[in-house]
Amino acid sequence: DTAVSQTPKYLVTQMGNDKSIKCEQNLGHDTMYWYKQDSKKFLKIMFSYNNKELIINETVPNRFSPKSPDKAHLNLHINSLELGDSAVYFCASSQDRLAEQFFGPGTRLTVL
Amino acid sequence: AQSVTQLDSQVPVFEEAPVELRCNYSSSVSVYLFWYVQYPNQGLQLLLKYLSGSTLVKGINGFEAEFNKSQTSFHLRKPSVHISDTAEYFCAGSSKAAGNKLTFGGGTRVLVKP
Repeated sequence: DTAVSQTPKYLVTQMGNDKSIKCEQNLGHDTMYWYKQDSKKFLKIMFSYNNKELIINETVPNRFSPKSPDKAHLNLHINSLELGDSAVYFCASSQDRLAEQFFGPGTRLTVL
Repeated sequence: AQSVTQLDSQVPVFEEAPVELRCNYSSSVSVYLFWYVQYPNQGLQLLLKYLSGSTLVKGINGFEAEFNKSQTSFHLRKPSVHISDTAEYFCAGSSKAAGNKLTFGGGTRVLVKP
């Protein structure tokens, strides 16, 4: 069974569109994260939620809005997509903020 | 601010040869360190972690790392690599001072040649 799953795996869309990426974890973890990996493989945290509460919000444009309907889900909604948003987005979860993070398979977003 | 630096962006190595991937961190308080591996088109998988205790940490797939506080390093080693070890390797650290946020190094691409 997949521990951290993301949908879709690939997302190709036009500039200006709004899109969402979904993440679910079945590990019973309290904390979930969104990371962005750019074309040079550099990984940077975007958001972190603990028990549905936002605890980390890096300097991400407010076009990006995370939503956590429950502890097992953390979705990422992106408004007015721009070319620079093209990247691989990873969801992750951990039992607490010091513990190992389990990563999803990633969503490759391409903005045309 | 905490930072993690991986000194080599690429490391070519022959099969069955040893490999060492270098990682240095900056932090003035207790630090927790991790090595992750990313195989092509996949997510990240934890190789090993240092939270406290013994400075030599053994992980999966024959990897080990040594925490060196005086040199602020956490280098990853494997005595004999396989073709299947070809991947991107990320060092990461977190600390209470940084709000337990995980900061990644820039990654080291390991290419194992036959």
